[in-house]
Amino acid sequence: NAGVTQTPKFRVLKTGQSMTLLCAQDMNHEYMYWYRQDPGMGLRLIHYSVGEGTTAKGEVPDGYNVSRLKKQNFLLGLESAAPSQTSVYFCASSYPSGAVYNEQFFGPGTRLTVL
Amino acid sequence: ILNVEQSPQSLHVQEGDSTNFTCSFPSSNFYALHWYRWETAKSPEALFVMTLNGDEKKKGRISATLNTKEGYSYLYIKGSQPEDSATYLCAFTRPGGKLIFGQGTELSVKP
Repeated sequence: NAGVTQTPKFRVLKTGQSMTLLCAQDMNHEYMYWYRQDPGMGLRLIHYSVGEGTTAKGEVPDGYNVSRLKKQNFLLGLESAAPSQTSVYFCASSYPSGAVYNEQFFGPGTRLTVL
Repeated sequence: ILNVEQSPQSLHVQEGDSTNFTCSFPSSNFYALHWYRWETAKSPEALFVMTLNGDEKKKGRISATLNTKEGYSYLYIKGSQPEDSATYLCAFTRPGGKLIFGQGTELSVKP
């Protein structure tokens, strides 16, 4: 099992450019999440999905879009990148809420810099 | 808005020292409290999930306690080792809810 994987690992964008971050999990988890991690801020939830074809907003969704076309994949899109989106992005997955109290399994992160 | 606070923000100890840090969370409508260990350049990994008031969990030299009535959890490390250096995150959840993370405590253990 690869667990949760993320591509790419690093990316540098110019302001206004767009990109998509890919998260894949092979654990047959229903729930998937995208977080951003900034110094002194902990992990903040951007968007999440409770199943294939469903997405919902988290704590800091502005400037991001997501899609969950397949159960194993969760895509995070930046349509027009801004320097404020410079961050480390983590994807996570879990069983349905209530199973193992929603323990989440994390990917290795994507470090994004927007110039 | 749910607030999860961790203290201290960072901690520097010598090898062999024992240490502890705190996670504070809303005491109402509690479901579970998670502790994660996050080494630099790696992914956060689950240490403990605690659900009952008075819960105590232990894994090797690391242990955690939970007080849901007053809304806090302590993480203890006995005899810290350099390999314990990491950021320790706690996260709070209510039934059917998402995890709300604290900002973490960064632990550095010097040989």
